[in-house]
Amino acid sequence: GAGVSQSPSNKVTEKGKDVELRCDPISGHTALYWYRQSLGQGLEFLIYFQGNSAPDKSGLPSDRFSAERTGGSVSTLTIQRTQQEDSAVYLCASRFDRNTEAFFGQGTRLTVV
Amino acid sequence: GIQVEQSPPDLILQEGANSTLRCNFSDSVNNLQWFHQNPWGQLINLFYIPSGTKQNGRLSATTVATERYSLLYISSSQTTDSGVYFCAVLYSSASKIIFGSGTRLSIRP
Repeated sequence: GAGVSQSPSNKVTEKGKDVELRCDPISGHTALYWYRQSLGQGLEFLIYFQGNSAPDKSGLPSDRFSAERTGGSVSTLTIQRTQQEDSAVYLCASRFDRNTEAFFGQGTRLTVV
Repeated sequence: GIQVEQSPPDLILQEGANSTLRCNFSDSVNNLQWFHQNPWGQLINLFYIPSGTKQNGRLSATTVATERYSLLYISSSQTTDSGVYFCAVLYSSASKIIFGSGTRLSIRP
């Protein structure tokens, strides 16, 4: 596609429910990142995928968070048993390689009530 | 540890003024980008600039990799320039993009 696409744009969920957030990177981009941005805050790294290598999961805040990238393309971020502190905008980015620029999607605004 | 520091944290200017935003980083970089986050939260790519100077209209950027800093210049500011400007770095030794804390720019009409 023309850009990084994320869905849904907005998600309201009840505390304790599981949610899945989707990211479609730019075609051909081998690297994919997930970040989280709480209201008025900076960007917090969550996870990084590079080709077929093992992902860098060092930013996942708890074992309730997981992500996968199928076929080197689409990625899904799953949050289990959501908590109110999970409310944030979740941003996905992709890039072709380390020496090219990254592009971000429009984000998914998650609200846990 | 590895850091990205931006200054100033906040900047309020009148329309038409010029501004300089700074990004300091602490190690050699593969990659440095400047982003503008608009009031709707979208991150807009401004510059991919691991070294050298680039210009795009009223905006320009310079990265001096040997001295570990980058500058973003905005000339003749417009109200649509308001928002948060982020510097983002990919260090040679790391896999994740590290963001500075941003400069919040407010342009008054």
